[in-house]
Amino acid sequence: NAGVTQTPKFRILKIGQSMTLQCTQDMNHNYMYWYRQDPGMGLKLIYYSVGAGITDKGEVPNGYNVSRSTTEDFPLRLELAAPSQTSVYFCASSYSTQGDQPQHFGDGTRLSIL
Amino acid sequence: GENVEQHPSTLSVQEGDSAVIKCTYSDSASNYFPWYKQELGKRPQLIIDIRSNVGEKKDQRIAVTLNKTAKHFSLHITETQPEDSAVYFCAATRGSYIPTFGRGTSLIVHP
Repeated sequence: NAGVTQTPKFRILKIGQSMTLQCTQDMNHNYMYWYRQDPGMGLKLIYYSVGAGITDKGEVPNGYNVSRSTTEDFPLRLELAAPSQTSVYFCASSYSTQGDQPQHFGDGTRLSIL
Repeated sequence: GENVEQHPSTLSVQEGDSAVIKCTYSDSASNYFPWYKQELGKRPQLIIDIRSNVGEKKDQRIAVTLNKTAKHFSLHITETQPEDSAVYFCAATRGSYIPTFGRGTSLIVHP
């Protein structure tokens, strides 16, 4: 199993551009999450999904959108990129019908907005 | 909702010493408490977890203790080594709820 795979690993965007961060998992996990981590800081939840077709906002959803058309994929869309969105983005997944299973994280996407 | 506080934010120890990181949570119904280690530039990875029906769990040099009455749980690392240097995150969750993370502790082990 590859686990959670994120692409791209690095990206530089210009202000106002848009892009999609890709995330796919091969563990048949029902829960998937997007976090951002600013330098020296903790994890902030952007969006999450409890299954295909179901998404919900986390702590910092503004400026982002998500979709979950399949169990495996959970892309994160940035529209009109702003310097404040410079961060490391982690996708995670878990098999959680009872909430007592750990999250598996991808390697992250390092995004700079200039 | 759940609130998790983690202390200290930074912990500096000498190689061979023990390190203890403590988290408190607010929701008495929380029943699963994982700890993640994040090395510099890497992804968070689970190192140990504990469920509410257990008071202590140990895996070689690391252990986690849970006090449900006081609503706190702690990570204990004995005989610390330079490779233990990382940021450690605690989390708490219950049922189908989304996990709540602590803010992280930066552990520095000096050779």
